[in-house]
Amino acid sequence: DAGITQSPRHKVTETGTPVTLRCHQTENHRYMYWYRQDPGHGLRLIHYSYGVKDTDKGEVSDGYSVSRSKTEDFLLTLESATSSQTSVYFCAISPGQFNEAFFGQGTRLTVV
Amino acid sequence: GQQLNQSPQSMFIQEGEDVSMNCTSSSIFNTWLWYKQDPGEGPVLLIALYKAGELTSNGRLTAQFGITRKDSFLNISASIPSDVGIYFCAGSYLLNYGGATNKLIFGTGTLLAVQP
Repeated sequence: DAGITQSPRHKVTETGTPVTLRCHQTENHRYMYWYRQDPGHGLRLIHYSYGVKDTDKGEVSDGYSVSRSKTEDFLLTLESATSSQTSVYFCAISPGQFNEAFFGQGTRLTVV
Repeated sequence: GQQLNQSPQSMFIQEGEDVSMNCTSSSIFNTWLWYKQDPGEGPVLLIALYKAGELTSNGRLTAQFGITRKDSFLNISASIPSDVGIYFCAGSYLLNYGGATNKLIFGTGTLLAVQP
């Protein structure tokens, strides 16, 4: 298994509070991604990173920000959580650009 | 934007049967990936395809990269109960933008149930 650790695995938070999810990799891959998975929508890209401090938006980036200060860590922040951000969040990594992405185990986030 | 149409949405089969699922698009892809996701887990990569016409096997799984580069299929032979899960296709396409030149999108998944 690819060395990807997501934390926390589960979180319940209140509307309007900030939330940060962490993805840590031990593979030294250049590319890291955050996806959300919702019924009927499959996996949708939120943000991705192509190097330290190099990030870009995905298709559903509104309400989310990311940071990557080290190769191994990619953080996803919800500045002010809303109920529509209740979802399962997956981090993924890949050695090349969007090829052979390997996924973490996911974080189930519930915003109440 | 790019879209992947994955079918069927769900399949309910008997153990031992063969399974076939596919993904199609109106757009051209340069890589096709097939994943399996078990409940409560992240998707696990099964097969990666890089060239049009490529046929690749991984045990009882066989996948092909369509010759038009707009489709791919996954076959599972002699299904067993542990094949149960959701299978996703994913396609990588070329997009010149910023520091990355490829994007990866996912199909909506095929739910496979295997009756022992």
